[in-house]
Amino acid sequence: DTGVSQDPRHKITKRGQNVTFRCDPISEHNRLYWYRQTLGQGPEFLTYFQNEAQLEKSRLLSDRFSAERPKGSFSTLEIQRTEQGDSAMYLCASSLVVDVYPEAFFGQGTRLTVV
Amino acid sequence: DAKTTQPTSMDCAEGRAANLPCNHSTISGNEYVYWYRQIHSQGPQYIIHGLKNNETNEMASLIITEDRKSSTLILPHATLRDTAVYYCIVRVPKAAGNKLTFGGGTRVLVKP
Repeated sequence: DTGVSQDPRHKITKRGQNVTFRCDPISEHNRLYWYRQTLGQGPEFLTYFQNEAQLEKSRLLSDRFSAERPKGSFSTLEIQRTEQGDSAMYLCASSLVVDVYPEAFFGQGTRLTVV
Repeated sequence: DAKTTQPTSMDCAEGRAANLPCNHSTISGNEYVYWYRQIHSQGPQYIIHGLKNNETNEMASLIITEDRKSSTLILPHATLRDTAVYYCIVRVPKAAGNKLTFGGGTRVLVKP
């Protein structure tokens, strides 16, 4: 399977702990996106990378959140000092920007529960 | 991106056509209509997009009104696996980092 993969699929953590999620995009895709989705809502954009450069961050991405994409391949999203409000599905997507209509392919997400 | 309005939920019968409406009355001339769906516990999946002409692919058909203020996604023969939340998004391809702005979508339940 050469789709977008995310790890872990589920994470339960205690409030105040740090967590890190990983996303492996489709191999030739140069754009990588992170979204967050809470129960009953559509996904909300958090940030995106083109190759290794982080080009945009949403105001939803507080100082406790940091994302990296070293070498323009996989990406990590870290949340420090987790809060119960961070409980959500974290989705990663990738696309190839040179396409005429570059569509985003999504992973299955990481479901975070903060207790 | 222009705002879209979709019904919150709808049911349809297995084997019948499912017609999902979307209003986008403030759409501008260079904005396309995109449809994605999200099956439970999975990430969103691209279905189809169009500018003004009707479009069809292996998954669905997209009918856009002449004034482009509304559109309908048609699943010709709904199956139980089509049960999902369907999102209508209006956007300019490649603009704004090509990121997607999702609304609440329509929760479609296909019943046997």
